[in-house]
Amino acid sequence: KQEVTQIPAALSVPEGENLVLNCSFTDSAIYNLQWFRQDPGKGLTSLLLIQSSQREQTSGRLNASLDKSSGRSTLYIAASQPGDSATYLCAVQSYNTDKLIFGTGTRLQVFP
Amino acid sequence: DADVTQTPRNRITKTGKRIMLECSQTKGHDRMYWYRQDPGLGLRLIYYSFDVKDINKGEISDGYSVSRQAQAKFSLSLESAIPNQTALYFCATSAQDRRPTDTQYFGPGTRLTVL
Repeated sequence: KQEVTQIPAALSVPEGENLVLNCSFTDSAIYNLQWFRQDPGKGLTSLLLIQSSQREQTSGRLNASLDKSSGRSTLYIAASQPGDSATYLCAVQSYNTDKLIFGTGTRLQVFP
Repeated sequence: DADVTQTPRNRITKTGKRIMLECSQTKGHDRMYWYRQDPGLGLRLIYYSFDVKDINKGEISDGYSVSRQAQAKFSLSLESAIPNQTALYFCATSAQDRRPTDTQYFGPGTRLTVL
């Protein structure tokens, strides 16, 4: 059974810092790995999707990497801003199913 | 307008009551999903539907039922609500063709409290 873990559970940093969020998964037979952002009252928004054949994806100040063999992904946020404050969720989609398995999330607070 | 909408956004009810949560989408997607989110447990899949005639149980379907009234509508029912069904409920959609670049699109969530 696929299990997804995110560390840390919460993070508070001053504006301008570069930071790394971690995600690990137990079954390397994945179709893709996705990072979502969750804002209160606004549901989840997909940030980056890494296909199983890819090593990383970038969007603006966000960079996500994938190491399938070790079951790990990282989300790197450069030059953090207060607007980045949200909960970040990692999810994997396995080859034999269309279901997304989510981690428990990292709650990020960026203070001015 | 939002692509995936959920009603109601907040609901407080009592133990034993029947509750229906509704989801509508304008993305034209065939696949729809219901998740619940609990603190410390992440999102867990309750039911999913690949089209109007194809409905499947997810990880935690006990105590829930669903109805796919049309391609654009997917409802979740709690026949007799209990306090441990207090949670944040999300509806999501995805495209029919399964490609590694496909993602799911989420509604804003319904916060349900069962007293």
